[in-house]
Amino acid sequence: EAGVTQSPTHLIKTRGQQATLRCSPISGHTSVYWYQQALGLGLQFLLWYDEGEERNRGNFPPRFSGRQFPNYSSELNVNALELEDSALYLCASSPQWGGDTEAFFGQGTRLTVV
Amino acid sequence: DQQVKQNSPSLSVQEGRISILNCDYTNSMFDYFLWYKKYPAEGPTFLISISSIKDKNEDGRFTVFLNKSAKHLSLHIVPSQPGDSAVYFCAASARAGTALIFGKGTTLSVSS
Repeated sequence: EAGVTQSPTHLIKTRGQQATLRCSPISGHTSVYWYQQALGLGLQFLLWYDEGEERNRGNFPPRFSGRQFPNYSSELNVNALELEDSALYLCASSPQWGGDTEAFFGQGTRLTVV
Repeated sequence: DQQVKQNSPSLSVQEGRISILNCDYTNSMFDYFLWYKKYPAEGPTFLISISSIKDKNEDGRFTVFLNKSAKHLSLHIVPSQPGDSAVYFCAASARAGTALIFGKGTTLSVSS
């Protein structure tokens, strides 16, 4: 069974541009989480989608947005890129909303803003 | 505010000894707790979890203890092995439906 897949693996953008990151959850999983891991920091919660709806949002500016498609895959968009947006962006999926279940992570997208 | 806290950024242990990683949380709605392990340039991998109805859960060399009154959990690794060297993240969620919230991680180094 395929795990969580993220694309692209690496992304280099110029300050002010937009970045789009993609995530395909494990088959059957309806919840998708996005996290940012900047250098020296832990996993900062960005966004949580379940059944196509945004369930919760972390403490990030509105230029971080996303969506979840009918097939449960998800997209994270970062507008007006800033240098400090350079980080590893991790996507995770879980089988259900709430409940006792772990989330499974993809390998991440390394975003570099120059 | 940081709802899940790992106050020790790093821990060094000798091979064969016990590693104890600690985690505190502030949100009393949290009722499910997890530990993840992360190697550089990889996504975190699930290690072990515990529900709030339990105070201990074991899986091989890994044991997680939960003290609800103190809002504290710990991960014990016995015996520690060099391959355990990684960043360990504590995470928490609520059945009512919160996202999985992570601590900042503790880097464990196990020397042979």
